[in-house]
Amino acid sequence: DAMVIQNPRYQVTQFGKPVTLSCSQTLNHNVMYWYQQKSSQAPKLLFHYYDKDFNNEADTPDNFQSRRPNTSFCFLDIRSPGLGDAAMYLCATSRGLASDNEQFFGPGTRLTVL
Amino acid sequence: AQSVTQPDIHITVSEGASLELRCNYSYGATPYLFWYVQSPGQGLQLLLKYFSGDTLVQGIKGFEAEFKRSQSSFNLRKPSVHWSDAAEYFCAVGDRGGSNYKLTFGKGTLLTVNP
Repeated sequence: DAMVIQNPRYQVTQFGKPVTLSCSQTLNHNVMYWYQQKSSQAPKLLFHYYDKDFNNEADTPDNFQSRRPNTSFCFLDIRSPGLGDAAMYLCATSRGLASDNEQFFGPGTRLTVL
Repeated sequence: AQSVTQPDIHITVSEGASLELRCNYSYGATPYLFWYVQSPGQGLQLLLKYFSGDTLVQGIKGFEAEFKRSQSSFNLRKPSVHWSDAAEYFCAVGDRGGSNYKLTFGKGTLLTVNP
């Protein structure tokens, strides 16, 4: 089945220690998104890639970076995680960029910062 | 700016009872409307969507939603809830305009189902 895969499902890191979260997709979609979801809150869009074009949301901290080496993979890098970065990180994909394109979500990575 | 309000943070129903989850939006015109479900520890799954046409939309898992323009609402309903429906439900709106890709999510409604 075509799907969005996130690894690892659970990640524990130390305060200030860089961490990378991974997302892959078999849908061959053009767009990949990263969301941050804190407990009992709505998902918050951090950035997206349309093909190789990167678009950062205006309020996304510089501490968060992303890479998309090919169509299938996208990475979220947190350069110096703080306690406030503990959250669920969701990857999503869509065929196109307009909001009538359904977004398909992965299961998420739960990040704990000690 | 568009916004989404889900007035109920937490709802508890008995298995077999009917369910209605409320969603109100603020937008200059008719947006694209979505309901997503998130089971514990999982990502979001699309239940249904409204773009145009019939205002009563059928989705997966026996859910339906009705778009009411006059009330700026898109409430989610299910006639008979199953224990497996316990999850968090998010209403979202998307902008029809141009290349605006963003979805605006409500804060979610947590559904508990009692046996």
